[in-house]
Amino acid sequence: GENVEQHPSTLSVQEGDSAVIKCTYSDSASNYFPWYKQELGKRPQLIIDIRSNVGEKKDQRIAVTLNKTAKHFSLHITETQPEDSAVYFCAVEGSYIPTFGRGTSLIVHP
Amino acid sequence: NAGVTQTPKFQVLKTGQSMTLQCAQDMNHEYMSWYRQDPGMGLRLIHYSVGAGITDQGEVPNGYNVSRSTTEDFPLRLLSAAPSQTSVYFCASSLGQNQETQYFGPGTRLLVL
Repeated sequence: GENVEQHPSTLSVQEGDSAVIKCTYSDSASNYFPWYKQELGKRPQLIIDIRSNVGEKKDQRIAVTLNKTAKHFSLHITETQPEDSAVYFCAVEGSYIPTFGRGTSLIVHP
Repeated sequence: NAGVTQTPKFQVLKTGQSMTLQCAQDMNHEYMSWYRQDPGMGLRLIHYSVGAGITDQGEVPNGYNVSRSTTEDFPLRLLSAAPSQTSVYFCASSLGQNQETQYFGPGTRLLVL
């Protein structure tokens, strides 16, 4: 099966700074890479995703980059705001059922 | 669309009791799954189903049973609750088995005493 590693487990930044979360995976057949955000006490929800035929995707302050050769992808959040504070999960999908990373707790200090 | 719904929102059980966590979706999704979420452990897959009548085990299936008699419903049964099953349980669904966005229910917080 797929093996997904997510780093860091905790990330603390000042408001306005950028935040980067990285995930690595093992199965080269994987071809769909979503990111989910989970606010405290809420359900995980999709914020951005990327497919293997694309190297980068942006949506306002968030972006995801994919390096298929190195088998890693990253979530980038620019100009962080306190409402970005949450747990972020990466996931990997392909020939297997979805596999999630262990999550990154992002804390944005005002 | 209500999306993915779960009941109950919160439950307290005594060790050895059994119960069923309900999950339903109204999006005609084929793939449904159950996860448990514990601090520092992320989302761990318990059981999943790729369609009505088909279920399979995930990473942590022991102590849980599932069935999928309809496309809409995917209940999770705890056979004999143990304190180690204290957790937050999320049901999720997607259009297909892979390369699809997962839609999560609101979660069920379970405390086993």
